[in-house]
Amino acid sequence: DSGVTQTPKHLITATGQRVTLRCSPRSGDLSVYWYQQSLDQGLQFLIQYYNGEERAKGNILERFSAQQFPDLHSELNLSSLELGDSALYFCASSAGQPNSPLHFGNGTRLTVT
Amino acid sequence: GQQLNQSPQSMFIQEGEDVSMNCTSSSIFNTWLWYKQDPGEGPVLLIALYKAGELTSNGRLTAQFGITRKDSFLNISASIPSDVGIYFCAGQDHNNNDMRFGAGTRLTVKP
Repeated sequence: DSGVTQTPKHLITATGQRVTLRCSPRSGDLSVYWYQQSLDQGLQFLIQYYNGEERAKGNILERFSAQQFPDLHSELNLSSLELGDSALYFCASSAGQPNSPLHFGNGTRLTVT
Repeated sequence: GQQLNQSPQSMFIQEGEDVSMNCTSSSIFNTWLWYKQDPGEGPVLLIALYKAGELTSNGRLTAQFGITRKDSFLNISASIPSDVGIYFCAGQDHNNNDMRFGAGTRLTVKP
């Protein structure tokens, strides 16, 4: 158990809809990362937060947004969903310092129909 | 942004054989990490490397941080069926803070 909790585990929704994915980092970790993994693909970095503020941005679509709250949990919002957004979405957390390894949750599997 | 090239893309080996996979980067990284992902689960950290030239072992796994800081390899000795999964390398450039991942090496071990 990595200590990173993601909910929900599975999500099925229709095109055009909006969903929110939630992540609770490991106790003591200040940094949260979001990654997208499409079928049989690698991990695409979306965005990173550190102590409530955005720290780095990757290939995140404008239809997607995220935030980290004062209690350090994070939410990833996906709107105007398209079929191609179907993927596993992983959250990872770290202490946020240089050299801090990432610890991953078990992901949310999103299916857009 | 930095590009990570991980190879091979997949490997099919016999139980008991040794395995080697590697990652190269177009730029220098300060940290190299190796993860394993089992089906339906998140990646799990196997080995972390923090200094150029560093060689670190974790059981049957050995990884090295290349001298040029642009590459790393992971070796698995005497493979067993539970080694099956996808192995990812990851690199962190402290200037950018984010962690970039290779495309993964899918390992299949035949009993």
